[in-house]
Amino acid sequence: NAGVTQTPKFRILKIGQSMTLQCTQDMNHNYMYWYRQDPGMGLKLIYYSVGAGITDKGEVPNGYNVSRSTTEDFPLRLELAAPSQTSVYFCASSYSTGGYGYTFGSGTRLTVV
Amino acid sequence: QKEVEQDPGPLSVPEGAIVSLNCTYSNSAFQYFMWYRQYSRKGPELLMYTYSSGNKEDGRFTAQVDKSSKYISLFIRDSQPSDSATYLCAMSGGSGGSNYKLTFGKGTLLTVNP
Repeated sequence: NAGVTQTPKFRILKIGQSMTLQCTQDMNHNYMYWYRQDPGMGLKLIYYSVGAGITDKGEVPNGYNVSRSTTEDFPLRLELAAPSQTSVYFCASSYSTGGYGYTFGSGTRLTVV
Repeated sequence: QKEVEQDPGPLSVPEGAIVSLNCTYSNSAFQYFMWYRQYSRKGPELLMYTYSSGNKEDGRFTAQVDKSSKYISLFIRDSQPSDSATYLCAMSGGSGGSNYKLTFGKGTLLTVNP
């Protein structure tokens, strides 16, 4: 009964470093998403996937990449980290359209220094 | 004009008060409307879900959608300290199969004082 699991929970990166944020769901959801949340700014969609092998850009994709090789996993890759990528990152999944049934992970708090 | 506008607050009320939270939006294609509750350092959790216009009640919570005015509301009756959280409105809908992507408001920080 894990739902959506994100790792790591916290990370500090230096400018120019790269890292992968991991996201796994065990609910057999087709749809998966990555959002970032900045203070007082709500959540912004970075990338999303409608199924294994299919990904597309969201509202703020620059500086990120994703892949979806399995239904369960949807990792987010940061290349050449910049201070502007300091944020809290949430992975989510859903089983249907219409926005219903979204389940969010507990987030990864990333600081780029 | 932003797609979804939400007053960020903060909002502070005494225990037992009725709380009213609101969002306005500009995209007339939105059909699905949600309220999420987010406790500090946690992920958002779905609180209320409404399709199209109308009211929905769940215990102390009532969600209202007025599509003609592009306005949605969440009412919390008999508010409790455990209701202290950030409340995010979210909506989806539109052409091209985009109704699974959510557009969020900025969130309203609510504190209920004992």
